[in-house]
Amino acid sequence: AQKVTQAQTEISVVEKEDVTLDCVYETRDTTYYLFWYKQPPSGELVFLIRRNSFDEQNEISGRYSWNFQKSTSSFNFTITASQVVDSAVYFCALSEVYNFNKFYFGSGTKLNVKP
Amino acid sequence: SQTIHQWPATLVQPVGSPLSLECTVEGTSNPNLYWYRQAAGRGLQLLFYSVGIGQISSEVPQNLSASRPQDRQFILSSKKLLLSDSGFYLCAWSRDAKNIQYFGAGTRLSVL
Repeated sequence: AQKVTQAQTEISVVEKEDVTLDCVYETRDTTYYLFWYKQPPSGELVFLIRRNSFDEQNEISGRYSWNFQKSTSSFNFTITASQVVDSAVYFCALSEVYNFNKFYFGSGTKLNVKP
Repeated sequence: SQTIHQWPATLVQPVGSPLSLECTVEGTSNPNLYWYRQAAGRGLQLLFYSVGIGQISSEVPQNLSASRPQDRQFILSSKKLLLSDSGFYLCAWSRDAKNIQYFGAGTRLSVL
């Protein structure tokens, strides 16, 4: 069965600190997708990144970076020099490649960035 | 570009009343459509998904139902609301092989 675990329920940091959000997943599939979404206080989920299981290259987008390690089944998300606008709930998710309807979301990590 | 609309944004309903939440997608055809529920401080629970008109798959047996009367329209309904139906309801769509789901702004439902 597919499962995504985000063990950090809530994290608080001071602005400009770096913060890493952990995501560990379980799947028997050899091919799958991993995602990160941001949910600001307004509620709408915003897509951040999708990673194919074949591509273990880390990715950097501005202050955001993602570390995908199949050996540990982890897909961690780091925000460098955090800002107050980064305050949100962040969800990690896994989807099956051959069943496009199934997303498995983690329970989310609430990030509080204080000025 | 594609957009997804959900309404209403906020809804307060008495127990036992009916419910109808609507979601429409613009700028694409034959999307996969999804309804999720998020309880306060919790993760997302997939309620229904649809791969085409009239095709509905239910993930969790409950007091709710879904319908897809048109290609880009997805409706979440209930005949009689329960207190436990309160929550934040999100509609989403996906279309291409990348399988990215794009979400609407959500509806906050309070059943009193």
